Amino acid sequence: QVQLVQSGAEVKKPGASVRVSCKAFGYTFTAYYMHWVRQAPGQGLEWMGRINPNPNSGGTNYAQKFQGRVTMTRDTSISTAYMELNSLRSDDTAVYYCARASSGSYNYWGQGTLVTVSS
Amino acid sequence: DMQMTQSPSSLSASVGDRVNITCQASQDISHYLSWYQQKPGKAPKLLIYDASNLETGVPSRFSGSGSGTDFTFTISSLQPEDIATYYCQQYNSLPRTFGQGTKLEIK
Repeated sequence: QVQLVQSGAEVKKPGASVRVSCKAFGYTFTAYYMHWVRQAPGQGLEWMGRINPNPNSGGTNYAQKFQGRVTMTRDTSISTAYMELNSLRSDDTAVYYCARASSGSYNYWGQGTLVTVSS
Repeated sequence: DMQMTQSPSSLSASVGDRVNITCQASQDISHYLSWYQQKPGKAPKLLIYDASNLETGVPSRFSGSGSGTDFTFTISSLQPEDIATYYCQQYNSLPRTFGQGTKLEIK
């Protein structure tokens, strides 16, 4: 069955970078866009961007808010998507989710990765 | 960016009640709207896609309607396990945007 398995929780200092991975199981990884959504403690859902995992593409779209700080990549050989966020601040403390898009809707989500930014 | 205005932000209802949540888009999004349920500590779960289509395996007491800018999510008979926060999300354009969420509680 389809599963998205994310890497474990991270604790980072302000100014550092974090890379979260999302490994896909049970479907053709290259056939579906992968999106990243985050959720700060007690807050709503915030879209960060997406990547086209197709081997001939790898194209990305990012939310304006994260432009210049976020990079989304993929490794098709191991069916894994990555989200790297740089210059971390305390307000980047959040749970980060990957989500598979099917015709726009997110029918599969990773379990979430808590990133804590603290000095 | 497309703004999604969801209301109410919180709602208290009794078991068996009919519950409605609305979502208004700042521009026409056709039918490109989904509804998600999120329970504490869990990832969101897709309930409704394309404004009115029930995701496989989701109970039929959940439904969605609307098109253009105005959408409604309905629980026909509230069950205790429906306690969660619900979000709408548009996928007509980038960036994708979510409503602010509706926290549903049992009265």
